[in-house]
Amino acid sequence: GNSVTQMEGPVTLSEEAFLTINCTYTATGYPSLFWYVQYPGEGLQLLLKATKADDKGSNKGFEATYRKETTSFHLEKGSVQVSDSAVYFCALSDWSDKLIFGTGTRLQVFP
Amino acid sequence: EADIYQTPRYLVIGTGKKITLECSQTMGHDKMYWYQQDPGMELHLIHYSYGVNSTEKGDLSSESTVSRIRTEHFPLTLESARPSHTSQYLCASREHGQGNTEAFFGQGTRLTVV
Repeated sequence: GNSVTQMEGPVTLSEEAFLTINCTYTATGYPSLFWYVQYPGEGLQLLLKATKADDKGSNKGFEATYRKETTSFHLEKGSVQVSDSAVYFCALSDWSDKLIFGTGTRLQVFP
Repeated sequence: EADIYQTPRYLVIGTGKKITLECSQTMGHDKMYWYQQDPGMELHLIHYSYGVNSTEKGDLSSESTVSRIRTEHFPLTLESARPSHTSQYLCASREHGQGNTEAFFGQGTRLTVV
């Protein structure tokens, strides 16, 4: 079945550091890929998405590129802020519309 | 801001009680989902629906049940709550599509069974 694997956290960074959170997936066919973010005490909200190979999703300085050859969708940001501290989830969805999440990675950014 | 609402936000209840967690959306979405989020943050799909009168069990076995009598409403019921049901429950909805549409989440219900 479909699955998503993402790096364990927590990831601890200083403000303005470069961020990478790794995500790989297993799926048949051509799934859509997503990154969601969850701030403390809140539900999840979409950060970015990519729906086909080589697409790059971007939002709020975050980027991720759909790499079919490596089945990856790594999240990057060039300069993190304290306000980026949250839990980040990689997810995939195929034609059946079931949305499958990775285990989440907690990011802590210190001033 | 997403138009999907969950009530209550927090619930502490005794073992053996029947509870219903409410989820409503005003976006007209056909597809709705319930996830259970454990303390380690992982999200487990427990129920989903593709429209009125359609309900399916998710990947994680759950003693809860759901119903979908109206498009906008997708309540989750536990007939007899147990401490093992203590968790955060998240409801989501999305437009019909080929798996490429955004899912909108409610703020969650944090359930504690004592």
